[in-house]
Amino acid sequence: DADVTQTPRNRITKTGKRIMLECSQTKGHDRMYWYRQDPGLGLRLIYYSFDVKDINKGEISDGYSVSRQAQAKFSLSLESAIPNQTALYFCATSTGVVAGGRDTQYFGPGTRLTVL
Amino acid sequence: SQQGEEDPQALSIQEGENATMNCSYKTSINNLQWYRQNSGRGLVHLILIRSNEREKHSGRLRVTLDTSKKSSSLLITASRAADTASYFCATVLTGANNLFFGTGTRLTVIP
Repeated sequence: DADVTQTPRNRITKTGKRIMLECSQTKGHDRMYWYRQDPGLGLRLIYYSFDVKDINKGEISDGYSVSRQAQAKFSLSLESAIPNQTALYFCATSTGVVAGGRDTQYFGPGTRLTVL
Repeated sequence: SQQGEEDPQALSIQEGENATMNCSYKTSINNLQWYRQNSGRGLVHLILIRSNEREKHSGRLRVTLDTSKKSSSLLITASRAADTASYFCATVLTGANNLFFGTGTRLTVIP
Protein backbone atom coordinates (compact mmCIF):
# COMPACT_ATOMS: atom_id res chain seq x y z
CA ASP A 1 0.00 0.00 0.00
CA ALA A 2 1.13 3.54 -0.77
CA ASP A 3 2.59 5.48 2.17
CA VAL A 4 1.00 8.79 1.07
CA THR A 5 -2.42 8.68 -0.53
CA GLN A 6 -4.53 11.43 -2.03
CA THR A 7 -8.22 11.54 -2.84
CA PRO A 8 -9.67 12.16 -5.29
CA ARG A 9 -7.10 11.51 -8.02
CA ASN A 10 -9.02 13.53 -10.55
CA ARG A 11 -11.72 16.15 -10.09
CA ILE A 12 -13.58 18.42 -12.46
CA THR A 13 -15.62 21.17 -10.88
CA LYS A 14 -17.22 24.49 -11.71
CA THR A 15 -16.28 28.02 -10.76
CA GLY A 16 -17.54 28.96 -7.32
CA LYS A 17 -17.78 25.43 -5.95
CA ARG A 18 -16.14 24.39 -2.70
CA ILE A 19 -13.65 21.58 -3.12
CA MET A 20 -11.74 19.50 -0.59
CA LEU A 21 -8.67 17.45 -1.40
CA GLU A 22 -7.59 14.90 1.15
CA CYS A 23 -4.24 13.44 2.05
CA SER A 24 -3.45 10.53 4.33
CA GLN A 25 -0.10 9.06 5.31
CA THR A 26 1.06 5.93 7.07
CA LYS A 27 4.69 6.99 7.43
CA GLY A 28 4.22 8.40 10.91
CA HIS A 29 5.70 11.74 9.88
CA ASP A 30 4.85 14.91 11.75
CA ARG A 31 5.32 17.27 8.81
CA MET A 32 2.87 17.51 5.93
CA TYR A 33 2.74 19.83 2.93
CA TRP A 34 0.46 20.85 0.07
CA TYR A 35 1.94 21.93 -3.27
CA ARG A 36 0.52 22.85 -6.61
CA GLN A 37 2.25 22.22 -9.90
CA ASP A 38 1.64 24.21 -13.04
CA PRO A 39 3.34 23.51 -16.36
CA GLY A 40 6.75 25.14 -16.51
CA LEU A 41 6.62 26.45 -12.95
CA GLY A 42 7.74 23.49 -10.87
CA LEU A 43 6.11 22.99 -7.48
CA ARG A 44 4.95 25.84 -5.28
CA LEU A 45 4.13 25.47 -1.60
CA ILE A 46 0.56 26.29 -0.56
CA TYR A 47 0.45 25.35 3.13
CA TYR A 48 2.48 23.25 5.51
CA SER A 49 1.99 21.78 8.95
CA PHE A 50 4.72 20.69 11.35
CA ASP A 51 2.29 19.02 13.74
CA VAL A 52 -1.44 18.88 14.43
CA LYS A 53 -1.46 22.27 16.13
CA ASP A 54 0.88 24.01 13.71
CA ILE A 55 -0.34 25.37 10.35
CA ASN A 56 1.66 27.76 8.19
CA LYS A 57 1.08 29.58 4.96
CA GLY A 58 3.35 28.87 2.07
CA GLU A 59 4.22 30.84 -1.03
CA ILE A 60 0.73 30.84 -2.59
CA SER A 61 -1.90 30.39 0.13
CA ASP A 62 -4.50 32.90 -1.12
CA GLY A 63 -7.74 31.16 -2.08
CA TYR A 64 -6.87 28.01 -0.11
CA SER A 65 -7.36 26.75 3.43
CA VAL A 66 -6.20 23.61 5.22
CA SER A 67 -7.13 21.40 8.12
CA ARG A 68 -4.84 19.00 9.99
CA GLN A 69 -7.34 16.55 11.45
CA ALA A 70 -4.75 14.17 12.84
CA GLN A 71 -1.07 13.40 12.45
CA ALA A 72 -1.95 11.25 9.46
CA LYS A 73 -4.46 13.53 7.72
CA PHE A 74 -4.09 16.91 6.06
CA SER A 75 -6.84 18.37 3.89
CA LEU A 76 -6.74 21.23 1.42
CA SER A 77 -9.87 23.24 0.63
CA LEU A 78 -10.69 25.64 -2.14
CA GLU A 79 -13.55 27.68 -0.69
CA SER A 80 -14.70 29.05 -4.04
CA ALA A 81 -12.83 27.49 -6.92
CA ILE A 82 -11.70 29.60 -9.86
CA PRO A 83 -10.27 28.51 -13.22
CA ASN A 84 -6.69 29.59 -12.45
CA GLN A 85 -6.66 27.03 -9.65
CA THR A 86 -6.66 24.33 -12.30
CA ALA A 87 -3.45 22.44 -11.56
CA LEU A 88 -1.89 19.26 -10.26
CA TYR A 89 -1.91 19.18 -6.46
CA PHE A 90 0.54 17.17 -4.39
CA CYS A 91 0.64 16.28 -0.74
CA ALA A 92 3.98 15.43 0.84
CA THR A 93 5.32 14.37 4.23
CA SER A 94 8.69 14.54 5.95
CA THR A 95 10.28 13.59 9.23
CA GLY A 96 11.43 17.09 10.05
CA VAL A 97 14.87 15.87 10.98
CA VAL A 98 16.81 18.63 9.28
CA ALA A 99 19.96 17.96 11.27
CA GLY A 100 22.15 15.54 9.38
CA GLY A 101 20.31 16.35 6.21
CA ARG A 102 17.70 13.65 6.56
CA ASP A 103 14.61 15.77 5.94
CA THR A 104 13.59 14.52 2.54
CA GLN A 105 10.00 14.62 1.40
CA TYR A 106 7.71 11.80 0.32
CA PHE A 107 5.04 12.66 -2.18
CA GLY A 108 1.56 11.37 -2.87
CA PRO A 109 0.44 10.51 -6.41
CA GLY A 110 -1.25 13.85 -6.97
CA THR A 111 -4.76 15.15 -7.64
CA ARG A 112 -5.52 16.63 -11.03
CA LEU A 113 -8.05 19.41 -10.50
CA THR A 114 -9.85 21.15 -13.33
CA VAL A 115 -12.01 24.20 -12.62
CA LEU A 116 -14.35 25.11 -15.44
CA SER B 1 9.69 33.52 -7.44
CA GLN B 2 11.46 30.23 -7.94
CA GLN B 3 14.52 29.70 -5.78
CA GLY B 4 16.13 27.33 -8.22
CA GLU B 5 16.30 27.03 -11.95
CA GLU B 6 17.37 24.00 -13.90
CA ASP B 7 19.25 24.04 -17.15
CA PRO B 8 18.53 22.83 -19.75
CA GLN B 9 14.74 22.86 -19.65
CA ALA B 10 14.70 19.79 -21.87
CA LEU B 11 17.32 17.21 -22.80
CA SER B 12 17.15 14.34 -25.27
CA ILE B 13 19.87 11.66 -25.41
CA GLN B 14 20.45 8.14 -26.67
CA GLU B 15 20.32 5.20 -24.30
CA GLY B 16 23.76 4.54 -22.84
CA GLU B 17 24.86 8.17 -22.95
CA ASN B 18 25.36 10.31 -19.87
CA ALA B 19 22.89 13.04 -18.96
CA THR B 20 23.92 16.17 -17.11
CA MET B 21 21.52 18.74 -15.77
CA ASN B 22 22.31 21.84 -13.77
CA CYS B 23 20.61 23.78 -11.03
CA SER B 24 21.30 27.33 -9.94
CA TYR B 25 19.88 28.89 -6.81
CA LYS B 26 19.81 32.33 -5.28
CA THR B 27 20.49 32.29 -1.54
CA SER B 28 22.42 30.41 1.12
CA ILE B 29 21.26 26.83 1.60
CA ASN B 30 21.29 24.10 4.24
CA ASN B 31 21.06 21.34 1.66
CA LEU B 32 20.07 20.70 -1.93
CA GLN B 33 17.99 17.76 -3.08
CA TRP B 34 17.18 16.21 -6.43
CA TYR B 35 13.82 14.67 -7.18
CA ARG B 36 12.48 12.76 -10.14
CA GLN B 37 8.93 12.89 -11.51
CA ASN B 38 7.50 10.48 -14.01
CA SER B 39 4.83 12.06 -16.16
CA GLY B 40 1.96 13.34 -14.04
CA ARG B 41 3.03 11.40 -10.96
CA GLY B 42 4.38 12.27 -7.55
CA LEU B 43 8.00 13.22 -7.03
CA VAL B 44 10.51 10.70 -5.78
CA HIS B 45 13.57 11.73 -3.80
CA LEU B 46 16.85 10.78 -5.47
CA ILE B 47 19.72 12.26 -3.52
CA LEU B 48 20.53 14.95 -0.95
CA ILE B 49 23.77 16.89 -0.68
CA ARG B 50 24.52 19.07 2.33
CA SER B 51 26.04 22.53 2.03
CA ASN B 52 29.38 21.32 3.39
CA GLU B 53 29.63 18.51 0.83
CA ARG B 54 30.99 18.90 -2.69
CA GLU B 55 30.13 15.61 -4.32
CA LYS B 56 27.89 12.66 -3.66
CA HIS B 57 27.18 9.39 -5.45
CA SER B 58 24.24 7.03 -5.46
CA GLY B 59 24.30 4.21 -8.00
CA ARG B 60 24.41 5.82 -11.45
CA LEU B 61 23.80 9.27 -9.99
CA ARG B 62 26.50 11.79 -9.21
CA VAL B 63 25.69 15.15 -7.69
CA THR B 64 28.07 18.05 -7.24
CA LEU B 65 27.55 21.24 -5.30
CA ASP B 66 29.46 24.50 -5.66
CA THR B 67 28.23 26.88 -2.98
CA SER B 68 30.48 29.69 -4.20
CA LYS B 69 28.68 29.61 -7.55
CA LYS B 70 25.34 28.65 -6.01
CA SER B 71 24.99 25.78 -8.40
CA SER B 72 24.62 22.02 -8.49
CA SER B 73 24.73 19.41 -11.19
CA LEU B 74 23.16 15.97 -11.51
CA LEU B 75 24.89 13.42 -13.71
CA ILE B 76 23.12 10.23 -14.72
CA THR B 77 25.57 7.77 -16.23
CA ALA B 78 24.76 5.05 -18.76
CA SER B 79 21.21 6.30 -19.17
CA ARG B 80 18.29 3.96 -19.76
CA ALA B 81 14.91 4.51 -21.37
CA ALA B 82 13.40 4.16 -17.89
CA ASP B 83 15.28 7.30 -16.81
CA THR B 84 12.91 9.34 -18.97
CA ALA B 85 11.31 11.77 -16.51
CA SER B 86 11.46 15.31 -15.21
CA TYR B 87 14.18 16.10 -12.69
CA PHE B 88 13.85 18.85 -10.12
CA CYS B 89 16.34 20.38 -7.76
CA ALA B 90 15.04 21.65 -4.45
CA THR B 91 16.81 23.67 -1.80
CA VAL B 92 16.40 24.05 1.93
CA LEU B 93 17.41 27.59 2.71
CA THR B 94 19.66 28.34 5.67
CA GLY B 95 17.45 28.87 8.71
CA ALA B 96 14.31 27.67 6.93
CA ASN B 97 12.36 24.47 7.07
CA ASN B 98 10.86 24.13 3.62
CA LEU B 99 11.89 23.01 0.19
CA PHE B 100 11.94 25.42 -2.72
CA PHE B 101 11.70 23.67 -6.06
CA GLY B 102 13.24 24.62 -9.34
CA THR B 103 11.46 24.55 -12.66
CA GLY B 104 12.73 21.14 -13.73
CA THR B 105 14.59 19.49 -16.61
CA ARG B 106 12.64 17.17 -18.86
CA LEU B 107 14.91 14.24 -19.82
CA THR B 108 14.06 11.93 -22.69
CA VAL B 109 16.21 8.84 -23.21
CA ILE B 110 15.76 7.34 -26.65
CA PRO B 111 16.07 3.53 -26.81
